[in-house]
Amino acid sequence: EAEVAQSPRYKITEKSQAVAFWCDPISGHATLYWYRQILGQGPELLVQFQDESVVDDSQLPKDRFSAERLKGVDSTLKIQPAELGDSAMYLCASSFGQGPYEQYFGPGTRLTVT
Amino acid sequence: AQSVSQHNHHVILSEAASLELGCNYSYGGTVNLFWYVQYPGQHLQLLLKYFSGDPLVKGIKGFEAEFIKSKFSFNLRKPSVQWSDTAEYFCAVNAPYGGATNKLIFGTGTLLAVQP
Repeated sequence: EAEVAQSPRYKITEKSQAVAFWCDPISGHATLYWYRQILGQGPELLVQFQDESVVDDSQLPKDRFSAERLKGVDSTLKIQPAELGDSAMYLCASSFGQGPYEQYFGPGTRLTVT
Repeated sequence: AQSVSQHNHHVILSEAASLELGCNYSYGGTVNLFWYVQYPGQHLQLLLKYFSGDPLVKGIKGFEAEFIKSKFSFNLRKPSVQWSDTAEYFCAVNAPYGGATNKLIFGTGTLLAVQP
């Protein structure tokens, strides 16, 4: 069964450093999502792509976070500089399209900022 | 803004007990509803979903949920839990609001521990 791939699985970084996460969605899925899940809470959408275009980045802290999906396939989420409050699980998901389609989640990247 | 409330944060049950997890959402328009599960060490996966039609939906592993529009609820049920159902359960709502987004809004999750 096809899966969403993410790397790295775990990342420890010091505050003020830059960090990047990578996501490869299920082949053929046009819509890609980045969510952040803080311990004890549900995932919250950071950014949504339709192909290579951003559809929703209203919850993305744009002063330090950036996301790209240059060729409409895989995607990178970057934080620069990282802050202590960024410690969380970063989840990538993909779906066939923007309609009522199931979102498939990857294993996530656990970020710890020290 | 839309929101999702899960009333139970931690639930402990013995095997064979019945399960019901509450979920309420706030949104007056058309919604799609989901229950996701995260088993220990695994990624989020879909248990069941409701888009339209029969408000009683059946999912994987014997789970079912009932959409009650008048109560803005989508409670998850299972008649007899097993130890392998130990996991965290998330209710989620998709409420498109005039744009192209397929944004999921999640509840805070319910941690279920089933004792053998």
